[in-house]
Amino acid sequence: DGGITQSPKYLFRKEGQNVTLSCEQNLNHDAMYWYRQDPGQGLRLIYYSQIVNDFQKGDIAEGYSVSREKKESFPLTVTSAQKNPTAFYLCASTEGIRDRGPNTEAFFGQGTRLTVV
Amino acid sequence: AQSVAQPEDQVNVAEGNPLTVKCTYSVSGNPYLFWYVQYPNRGLQFLLKYITGDNLVKGSYGFEAEFNKSQTSFHLKKPSALVSDSALYFCAVRGIYGSSNTGKLIFGQGTTLQVKP
Repeated sequence: DGGITQSPKYLFRKEGQNVTLSCEQNLNHDAMYWYRQDPGQGLRLIYYSQIVNDFQKGDIAEGYSVSREKKESFPLTVTSAQKNPTAFYLCASTEGIRDRGPNTEAFFGQGTRLTVV
Repeated sequence: AQSVAQPEDQVNVAEGNPLTVKCTYSVSGNPYLFWYVQYPNRGLQFLLKYITGDNLVKGSYGFEAEFNKSQTSFHLKKPSALVSDSALYFCAVRGIYGSSNTGKLIFGQGTTLQVKP
């Protein structure tokens, strides 16, 4: 089945640690996105990537880093500089720059819930 | 700047009554507009989209939305609500290819729909 997979589903981080959230898609999509979801604040864009080896900061990139070395993978690292990382993290993908046709909607993973302990 | 506003945190309707969930947007150029639904602790599921053409678009589960360019709105509607429609609904906007916001996908803060029997 084609889709987008996030792992792990639950992740616990100690103060001062970096942690990496995985996002993999087999949809042959060019574009990938990371969002953070907090109660009452909706989805806020952290980083997005339109193509391999390129990515842009979203609205809340501070304390996060990403890489896009392969088309199917877009891992997110939550660094120790992120002071309030406890949240639900969602990854998404779209066809990207090729999407001048009907297939423009985003597909989402099931999310990773990160908790600082 | 690109933005989406959902003015209501929660909408309450009785089963069988029509429902409307409001969304307004701001983006340069013609937008791609989307509605998604989220159930607890899950990713987002696509409902419908406006790309071009008819201002009234129909989507999954009997939902529809009306694009109004002059009011920059994209309200979600359903003629007869079901208890199972109760969930969190998100409106989203994405800049079209070639615009200054190419590929940037922004969400509103979400509206909780509560349908009571």
